[in-house]
Amino acid sequence: ETGVTQSPTHLIKTRGQQVTLRCSSQSGHNTVSWYQQALGQGPQFIFQYYREEENGRGNFPPRFSGLQFPNYSSELNVNALELDDSALYLCASSFRGGNTEAFFGQGTRLTVV
Amino acid sequence: ILNVEQSPQSLHVQEGDSTNFTCSFPSSNFYALHWYRWETAKSPEALFVMTLNGDEKKKGRISATLNTKEGYSYLYIKGSQPEDSATYLCAAIYGQNFVFGPGTRLSVLP
Repeated sequence: ETGVTQSPTHLIKTRGQQVTLRCSSQSGHNTVSWYQQALGQGPQFIFQYYREEENGRGNFPPRFSGLQFPNYSSELNVNALELDDSALYLCASSFRGGNTEAFFGQGTRLTVV
Repeated sequence: ILNVEQSPQSLHVQEGDSTNFTCSFPSSNFYALHWYRWETAKSPEALFVMTLNGDEKKKGRISATLNTKEGYSYLYIKGSQPEDSATYLCAAIYGQNFVFGPGTRLSVLP
């Protein structure tokens, strides 16, 4: 069991609405990454935050935005939801850099109808 | 766009069989390779983090190797058990960017 928790676990939204997903990091970790996993695919990197600033971004439009707070917890915000945004959203906390493992939350299942 | 591939997509083995799967990744600007095990209804858990060409890591019956020059990693499971059933994800790290493969879904039949 990791120390990373995500809320909510499930969510249903209507197309065009906005959603905020939350993630609390593993104690001591300073970096949080967000991933989208569509059905049948591997996780796709959305973005990463290090010390409250965006530190890298995948191929996602600007309506996907985030925040990292001083306690290293994080939010993922998605505006103008589209049907294709339906997916499992995972957050992972780690130390900056890729030479240590990331710890994942259990994910938020978002359904856009 | 960086693309990490895994093969096979899925496989079924009998309890006691040994098995292996492959993760292929672009070798240019590569930094590290992670393997994760993802069981249903749980969070992905890290198995190995490897950075150097020729790295070999082992945890119980599971081991992994890394070839950074040709861009691949192998994961081996010796004497598979039903509790090994899971999706195995690899992620290649480039800078701050984790690029995950689609995973290999393993089912171990008793």
